[in-house]
Amino acid sequence: AQSVTQLGSHVSVSEGALVLLRCNYSSSVPPYLFWYVQYPNQGLQLLLKYTSAATLVKGINGFEAEFKKSETSFHLTKPSAHMSDAAEYFCAVSDLGSYGKLTFGQGTILTVHP
Amino acid sequence: DAMVIQNPRYQVTQFGKPVTLSCSQTLNHNVMYWYQQKSSQAPKLLFHYYDKDFNNEADTPDNFQSRRPNTSFCFLDIRSPGLGDTAMYLCATSRAGKTDMNTEAFFGQGTRLTVV
Repeated sequence: AQSVTQLGSHVSVSEGALVLLRCNYSSSVPPYLFWYVQYPNQGLQLLLKYTSAATLVKGINGFEAEFKKSETSFHLTKPSAHMSDAAEYFCAVSDLGSYGKLTFGQGTILTVHP
Repeated sequence: DAMVIQNPRYQVTQFGKPVTLSCSQTLNHNVMYWYQQKSSQAPKLLFHYYDKDFNNEADTPDNFQSRRPNTSFCFLDIRSPGLGDTAMYLCATSRAGKTDMNTEAFFGQGTRLTVV
């Protein structure tokens, strides 16, 4: 069964600093990978997705992620953090043939300091 | 122009008293999902509908049931809620299929259920 590991349950950065949130997946075949963001007491919003079209994926709000098959990783980055980026971020995986069912990582809470 | 709407946003129910959460969508997606998210945890899939076909996850308790009367609506019924069922319940939809690569899921705002 596929699984997702997010390294670091909490990440803290200063406003304007680089954001790096780590995600590694375990799957026997290249999966579909997603990053979602969740603000307190809200649902999940899709930031970006990888579906084998391009390894570098650009998403909303200046976020991007790179699929590295050799490292089984899909890390999320943003060059310059903004206060409004403070939220919880979930990496998720879905396999072809699974009707879009998502398996989530444990989440990373991003704190942005002024 | 909300696309996946969950009602209510907050629900308090008594231990053992049946409760129903609702979800509607304007996207005409064929797949609908229910996820449970406990405090400080990742969302966990309870079940999904592919059109009218109901698919239960192996570890979903029997206490949880679902109904999908038409494409737009899906309900989560908890027959006898326990204190451990306190959680955020998230409804999502997608156009995913067995060979469909478009597996992006759209989530509602969630219903925060508290069992007292």
